[in-house]
Amino acid sequence: AQSVTQPDIHITVSEGASLELRCNYSYGATPYLFWYVQSPGQGLQLLLKYFSGDTLVQGIKGFEAEFKRSQSSFNLRKPSVHWSDAAEYFCAVGARNTPLVFGKGTRLSVIA
Amino acid sequence: EPEVTQTPSHQVTQMGQEVILRCVPISNHLYFYWYRQILGQKVEFLVSFYNNEISEKSEIFDDQFSVERPDGSNFTLKIRSTKLEDSAMYFCASSEIGANYGYTFGSGTRLTVV
Repeated sequence: AQSVTQPDIHITVSEGASLELRCNYSYGATPYLFWYVQSPGQGLQLLLKYFSGDTLVQGIKGFEAEFKRSQSSFNLRKPSVHWSDAAEYFCAVGARNTPLVFGKGTRLSVIA
Repeated sequence: EPEVTQTPSHQVTQMGQEVILRCVPISNHLYFYWYRQILGQKVEFLVSFYNNEISEKSEIFDDQFSVERPDGSNFTLKIRSTKLEDSAMYFCASSEIGANYGYTFGSGTRLTVV
């Protein structure tokens, strides 16, 4: 069965520090992978996506993610976190024109 | 940049009442979806719609739910008799078949059943 695991429910980082949010997936076919960000009470904004090709993908707001097939992972990274990055982050997996399966999310807090 | 538009942004309804949530998908997208997020929980798939019919649905999407594309632009989710546990954020999404694959969510409708 398809599933996405985000092992960290809540992460706190200092402003300016680096960030890595973990995502592991289980999917029968070649997956399409996504990271979305959600600010409180808001919708889902796409940060980046991976379909094929270069396994390191760049997204908006300075985020990047690396697809590692051998580890079934798609971790999200940012070299220097800003206070405005505080939000909930969701990893999702799917295939072309199929429903996405979401992880439970990781809440990011940023402290001064 | 093209957007998926959802209305209303917030709806309060009494238990047992019918509600219709509306969405305008991106114009050249052909697959449409509804997802639900109960407060503090993960985003869950409800239903997908393609070629004027349901292509897939989850266990959540029972007989109380229905979807419709009444015209060339709108895509609606109807809940016939709302229950307290239907209170959630409902997201519409659309995707396209073509090579430039996109999967875009709307900003959501927060449904509160009282």
